[in-house]
Amino acid sequence: GNSVTQMEGPVTLSEEAFLTINCTYTATGYPSLFWYVQYPGEGLQLLLKATKADDKGSNKGFEATYRKETTSFHLEKGSVQVSDSAVYFCALSDLGNQFYFGTGTSLTVIP
Amino acid sequence: DSGVTQTPKHLITATGQRVTLRCSPRSGDLSVYWYQQSLDQGLQFLIQYYNGEERAKGNILERFSAQQFPDLHSELNLSSLELGDSALYFCASSAAFANTGELFFGEGSRLTVL
Repeated sequence: GNSVTQMEGPVTLSEEAFLTINCTYTATGYPSLFWYVQYPGEGLQLLLKATKADDKGSNKGFEATYRKETTSFHLEKGSVQVSDSAVYFCALSDLGNQFYFGTGTSLTVIP
Repeated sequence: DSGVTQTPKHLITATGQRVTLRCSPRSGDLSVYWYQQSLDQGLQFLIQYYNGEERAKGNILERFSAQQFPDLHSELNLSSLELGDSALYFCASSAAFANTGELFFGEGSRLTVL
């Protein structure tokens, strides 16, 4: 079946450090891949997405590339800010519009 | 603002009681999803509706039920509540039938069972 595995947290970084959160997936067919972010006290919101192999999603300095050969969609940011502190969820959706979420990775950025 | 409205935002009730959570999807979205988020379980998919029909079921307990009405709003009914049902319940909606669509989440309903 379809599933998403993402890096366990929590992750604590200093401001301006480089961020990588690993995400791998298992799916049949050609899923779309997403990163969602949940700020404290809020619902999830879409951060970026990629709908086919080799696509790169990007938003707010975050990037992730859809790698079919390694079934991965790792989230990266070159220089994190305190305001990036949140929980990050990797997700995939299949042709039936079913969404599968990872367990979430909590990020804390300290000044 | 995602356009998805959930009520109530907070709810405190006792064990054994029944509650109803309501969700209004984004205008035009036909799919509604319900998720449960608890500290130890992460984000758990409960159920999905598409244009009034149940499309998929996840880890939804028999004590829980849901429906989507002709105006596309949805309700999640939780009965015989237990302490372990305390969680944040999210509704999300999606427009597209194909898998390129994204989910739009409401702010959640926080249920506390005492």
